[in-house]
Amino acid sequence: DVKVTQSSRYLVKRTGEKVFLECVQDMDHENMFWYRQDPGLGLRLIYFSYDVKMKEKGDIPEGYSVSREKKERFSLILESASTNQTSMYLCASSFPDRYQPQHFGDGTRLSIL
Amino acid sequence: AQSVTQPDIHITVSEGASLELRCNYSYGATPYLFWYVQSPGQGLQLLLKYFSGDTLVQGIKGFEAEFKRSQSSFNLRKPSVHWSDAAEYFCAVGAAQAGTALIFGKGTTLSVSS
Repeated sequence: DVKVTQSSRYLVKRTGEKVFLECVQDMDHENMFWYRQDPGLGLRLIYFSYDVKMKEKGDIPEGYSVSREKKERFSLILESASTNQTSMYLCASSFPDRYQPQHFGDGTRLSIL
Repeated sequence: AQSVTQPDIHITVSEGASLELRCNYSYGATPYLFWYVQSPGQGLQLLLKYFSGDTLVQGIKGFEAEFKRSQSSFNLRKPSVHWSDAAEYFCAVGAAQAGTALIFGKGTTLSVSS
């Protein structure tokens, strides 16, 4: 079974802090994704990566950056956390073909105070 | 542009009753379609997928979905709902370019009444 592991289920940080969300997958997937999920808005893509050190902006990249130094790990960085970044963050991974499904982690519920 | 619409934000079904969740997509070519389920506080789990062949697709947990090209629809069905099916359900379409992200609908929340 594919395993996508997000480092924290719940996280509380303060405004202005630099926040790191980590995601690791064990299936040698080329693609990795970070989504943000808010009530009524569904899943919105923040960034994705199709290879090590490669990244593409999604629909809402502002205020975020990412890092992919190794194939299995994809980090989301909030450079200076703000209260409007309080949300559920979901990481996913997949093989690159269009018909391949994405496999999701359990999510990190992040609260910025 | 590609898009996915789930017309129903919230549906309530009695336990044991049948279920149909609607999904409409906008896509120029043959789509790759997926249904995911999300239980409270959890990530998304793949229920089923369609990319070619038989238009009626069987998935896990007793779910099935039917691809209808003429209606641009991929509705999810279950003949008899259980209380444990209460969750949020997402329909998604594979993007036009390989190696890019899925496009998700905004989700339908299913409540099950006893």
